[in-house]
Amino acid sequence: DIQMTQSPSSVSASVGDRVTITCRASQGISSWLAWYQQKPGKAPKLLIYAASSLQSGVPSRFSGSGSGTDFTLTISSLQPEDFATYYCQQANSFPPPLTFGGGTKVEIK
Amino acid sequence: EVQLVESGGGLVQPGRSLRLSCTASGFTFGDYAMSWVRQAPGKGLEWVGFIRSKAYGGTTEYAASVKGRFTISRDDSKSIAYLQMNSLKTEDTAVYYCTRGRYSYGYWPELYFDYWGQGTLVTVSS
Repeated sequence: DIQMTQSPSSVSASVGDRVTITCRASQGISSWLAWYQQKPGKAPKLLIYAASSLQSGVPSRFSGSGSGTDFTLTISSLQPEDFATYYCQQANSFPPPLTFGGGTKVEIK
Repeated sequence: EVQLVESGGGLVQPGRSLRLSCTASGFTFGDYAMSWVRQAPGKGLEWVGFIRSKAYGGTTEYAASVKGRFTISRDDSKSIAYLQMNSLKTEDTAVYYCTRGRYSYGYWPELYFDYWGQGTLVTVSS
């Protein structure tokens, strides 16, 4: 199985800060990577797919980069509504399983 | 508007069965691969399995933790996906989400989950 390792597991930041979350795959996954945002009690929301493509309706302050094994999600200027948990996911269905990172909680400083 | 609505969750004893349903609307259901993803209380996300569209055989793939116990099926005429869960264990306790794959082309599609249901809680306990 491909393991997805996120870091940090949590980060404290202030409104307006630039926040960077990293995700490392245990083997190369090309650009088959997604990022999700999840707020308490809610379903996850797709932010980024194919490593760097912004899902429709997602603010442009979110961006993704990387390929192979190392990926990054950047929030350029943190907004109050961005405090949430973020997950990466490798999206190549061959071979199964699809796997998620352990999550990064973005908290208010 | 795309909507996915799960139903069928609840409290069930270990070893028993439960069937979840996911009713879809707002898109051509038969064109998409559908997946189930679960989240144990206070934990991260775990992919459970997916079913291909009929164009690719309507076949299924599963996580090792549920293979042989869980079965995903679909009724395209009703726009419903199902998750049949047998021989339930306490570690299957989770919120179960139904999701749509953004790109559902090919036998082995890239599965980015662009729409999610609200989730349904399954509690396995005696």
